[in-house]
Amino acid sequence: QVQLQQSGPGLVKPSETLSLTCSVSGYSISRGYYWAWIRQPPGKGLEWIGSFYHSGSTYYNPSLKSRVTISVDTSRNQFSLNLSSVTAADTAVYYCARGRPGDGQSHYFDYWGQGTLVTVSS
Amino acid sequence: DIQMTQSPSTLSASVGDRVTITCRASQSISSWLAWYQQKSGKAPKLLIYKASSLESGVPSRFSGSGSGTEFTLTISSLQPDDFATYYCQQYNTYSATFGQGTKVEIK
Repeated sequence: QVQLQQSGPGLVKPSETLSLTCSVSGYSISRGYYWAWIRQPPGKGLEWIGSFYHSGSTYYNPSLKSRVTISVDTSRNQFSLNLSSVTAADTAVYYCARGRPGDGQSHYFDYWGQGTLVTVSS
Repeated sequence: DIQMTQSPSTLSASVGDRVTITCRASQSISSWLAWYQQKSGKAPKLLIYKASSLESGVPSRFSGSGSGTEFTLTISSLQPDDFATYYCQQYNTYSATFGQGTKVEIK
């Protein structure tokens, strides 16, 4: 059974970098699939942040691309999100997820982490 | 960017009702559409992929249809466990875009 377990701080100061980690069990991230971050501001909808494909390619939401880095540690079977220069608008529940490829196109999400509420505040 | 628009935003229904939610894409996405169910405080759950394929373990009262720019999610007989918010998501390009969500409430 694939499980994704998130970790990281729930409070980040404005202008600093938000960092979260997703530890995967039950599947080796180097074997396949996409590995993604998605966020949801309080009371609002879902926003895709970016994804890492097992072959090494990364894809980012154009609206966040200049501030986002997704990195992978295959030895620990985990991947991470860094979002720089955060503001109050970045306050959200952040989810990690596994992306299942859609016949060569992009991907949809079949396993999700538990979610981490990150508040940006001084 | 491809925009996804769901309607209605909120839907009031009773147990046993047939419920239909619509999702429209700003350009053709073929059949590259997924549907999710999200309950309060929980992560979304995959229901449907490729517009009409039922994810393993999802009850057969859920079904999806459509292609191109217009899609529907239908719940054939609404159950108490189905009151939740539903999202569509396109995966036509090397990105992902979600609809704004449809909340299914108890009438």
